[in-house]
Amino acid sequence: AQRVTQPEKLLSVFKGAPVELKCNYSYSGSPELFWYVQYSRQRLQLLLRHISRESIKGFTADLNKGETSFHLKKPFAQEEDSAMYYCALSGSRAGGTSYGKLTFGQGTILTVHP
Amino acid sequence: DTAVSQTPKYLVTQMGNDKSIKCEQNLGHDTMYWYKQDSKKFLKIMFSYNNKELIINETVPNRFSPKSPDKAHLNLHINSLELGDSAVYFCASSGLRQTYGYTFGSGTRLTVV
Repeated sequence: AQRVTQPEKLLSVFKGAPVELKCNYSYSGSPELFWYVQYSRQRLQLLLRHISRESIKGFTADLNKGETSFHLKKPFAQEEDSAMYYCALSGSRAGGTSYGKLTFGQGTILTVHP
Repeated sequence: DTAVSQTPKYLVTQMGNDKSIKCEQNLGHDTMYWYKQDSKKFLKIMFSYNNKELIINETVPNRFSPKSPDKAHLNLHINSLELGDSAVYFCASSGLRQTYGYTFGSGTRLTVV
C-alpha cells in the first residue's frame, strides 16, 4: 500500500520568511514523488517532481529515503504562493497493483501574509 | 487549447437524478483518471483507464460508471445521485511514463440538493 502524510493542514507565514511544507510517505518500492499546487478555485498544477531535481517558482524539494520524506521548501515566501499544496506519490510500474495510481496527501493550505 | 477539458464546470441537481460528466484530453496520453475532491479538499482516485481498458477501480459505489469510448475521452456517469456525492470531480491524464506527472482538468463542481 502507498500512503502520503502531510501533517500540517494549515501553514501561515509572513512575506519574505522561509517556508517548509512537510510530506512523509510510506511505500515499499521505489516511489516517484511530486508536489502539486492548487490556487483558489483553479485546477491542480504540477509544481515539481523529485526525479527532475528542479526548482520551480523558487521551491525545491529533496527526496530523503532514509526519513521517507519529500518536504517542499522556499527560502523567501511571496504572497502569490498562497495556495493549497499537495504532495503525491506514484508507485513504480513494477509495483503491479499500484500502476498509474497517484496517491495524494491531505493537502496543506499555505497563507502568506503581507 | 486546453489540454484536459471537463464539462460541465458546475452541476446542480436533485437527489435521485442521473448525470454525466465528460472529459477529453488532447495530449495524446494513454491513461486517464477520475479523482474526487471532497469538502475537506481530500483527493482520492476513483478510476483509471489505459487505452480504453479499466485498470484501477477503487471502492466506489457501482452507481458510478466510467466509460472510455477512445483513449482521448473518459466520461463519468452517476446514477441515483445522493447528497454525499457533492464534491469536485477532477479528470486527469498521463503519458506512458507517469514520472512526468498528471495533467488535470479544471474540475466539475457537483452539488446534489
